[in-house]
Amino acid sequence: EVQLLESGGGLVQPGGSLRLSCAASGFTFRNYVMSWVRQAPGKGLEWVSALSGSSGSTYYADSVKGRFTISRDNSRDTLYLQMNSLRAEDTALYYCAKALAEHQLLGALDHWGQGTLVTISA
Amino acid sequence: EIVLTQSPGTLSLSPGERATLSCRASQSVSSIYLAWYQQKPGQAPRLLIYGASSRATGIPDRFSGSGSGTDFTLTINRLEPEDFAVYYCQLYDSSRTFGLGTRVEIK
Repeated sequence: EVQLLESGGGLVQPGGSLRLSCAASGFTFRNYVMSWVRQAPGKGLEWVSALSGSSGSTYYADSVKGRFTISRDNSRDTLYLQMNSLRAEDTALYYCAKALAEHQLLGALDHWGQGTLVTISA
Repeated sequence: EIVLTQSPGTLSLSPGERATLSCRASQSVSSIYLAWYQQKPGQAPRLLIYGASSRATGIPDRFSGSGSGTDFTLTINRLEPEDFAVYYCQLYDSSRTFGLGTRVEIK
C-alpha cells in the first residue's frame, strides 16, 4: 500500500524558513516524479513544485521560484521542500503527491499524503 | 499561461441525479494531460480521471470524463451520497495548473 506522510509544518514568522519532509513507502520511490501541492485555508489546490526520480529535473511554480527548493533522498525514500523567505500568502496545507506512472515527467497525481500545515504569521 | 475555468462554481443536485461539470482551458491543450480530482472536507484529493477519460484505479464507472481541445467534462451518473464533494480539474503538462473547483452539494 502506498503511503505518504508529510511532516515539518508549523508556525513561522514572515521571512523565516521551514523544511518539509514526506516519507514514502509502498512503491519504488526512486522511479517516480514527486510533487508538492498546497491548499490555502478554504481555497483551491495550487501546484508548487515537482522533482524527477533522479533529481535531474526540477519544476517550480512562479509564486515560489527562487524561494523554495525541492529535493529527495532516494536512499531514505523521502521528499523534501526547503522553504525560505516565507510570506503570509504561503500559509497553506502542503501535500506531497506521487505521479501515476514510473518515470513519467508529466503525470497525474495518484496518491497524496494527508498534508502538513504551514502558517506564516507574526 | 493557460487558465482552467471550472463551471458552475456550485452544483446543487439530489442523490440519483446526474452531475455535469465543465473545465474550460484558455487555449487548446492536449487531452492526455487533463485530470479530475475529488476532494472531501478534511481529506486529501483523490485522482478520478486522467488523460481526460481514463478512470483511475478503483474509481466507480459512474464517473466518466470526456472532451478535447479547450472543453472538458466530468460526468457523474446517479449521484451517490459519498459523491458530494469538491471537484478539481488539472492540466498536468508543463504548467501543472488546477482549476478553482466545482462544489457538488446536496439539494
